Amino acid sequence: DIQMTQSPSSLSASVGDRVTITCRASHYISNYLNWYQQKPGKAPKLLITAASGLESGVPSRFSGSGSGTDFTLTVSGLQPEDFGTFYCQQSYSLPWTFGQGTKVDSK
Amino acid sequence: QVQLQESGPGLVKPSETLSLTCTVSGDSISRSTYYWNWIRQPPGKGLEWIGYINYSGSANHNPSLKSRVTASVDTSKNQFSLSLTSVTAADTAVYFCARCRNGGCDYWGQGTLVTVSS
Repeated sequence: DIQMTQSPSSLSASVGDRVTITCRASHYISNYLNWYQQKPGKAPKLLITAASGLESGVPSRFSGSGSGTDFTLTVSGLQPEDFGTFYCQQSYSLPWTFGQGTKVDSK
Repeated sequence: QVQLQESGPGLVKPSETLSLTCTVSGDSISRSTYYWNWIRQPPGKGLEWIGYINYSGSANHNPSLKSRVTASVDTSKNQFSLSLTSVTAADTAVYFCARCRNGGCDYWGQGTLVTVSS
């Protein structure tokens, strides 16, 4: 299985901050990397596909980059509705696997 | 608007079989573009992919669940189902159904909590 490791596991930030989360794959996954946001009691929401493709309806302050094994999710100008837990997921090979999550809360 | 809705018992006894159904509206399971997935999340923990099935019944599942998983699809009802045998407390989780492609899972059900307890 491909292991996905996110860092940090948690962070505290303020509205307006620039937030960066990294995701590292244990093996090469090309750009088959997706990012989700999950709020308590809700299903995850797909934000970014193929490492850098913004899903329809997702604000442009979210961006993704990377290829191979190292990936980044950036939120440029954190908004109140952006707090929650973020997960990366690889869809390069089965079984699809997720990172352990990065919880973003209010400083 | 695509919607998915999980249904099934919220409580299952140890060693018994967990059975869930996902009803899809706003899209047809018969579309070949998508895989229809089950993903679970133990309380307070991260996400685990269980497996998927497509419209033709072709399925894959997470080897970590060994041979306990069976997936099925009923295109006439626009539903797909999950069966997980020999459950233990470790199978207690919120179970989500989701529509996915290689580019990720774009529509999810709200999730249903299944507790394994006697």
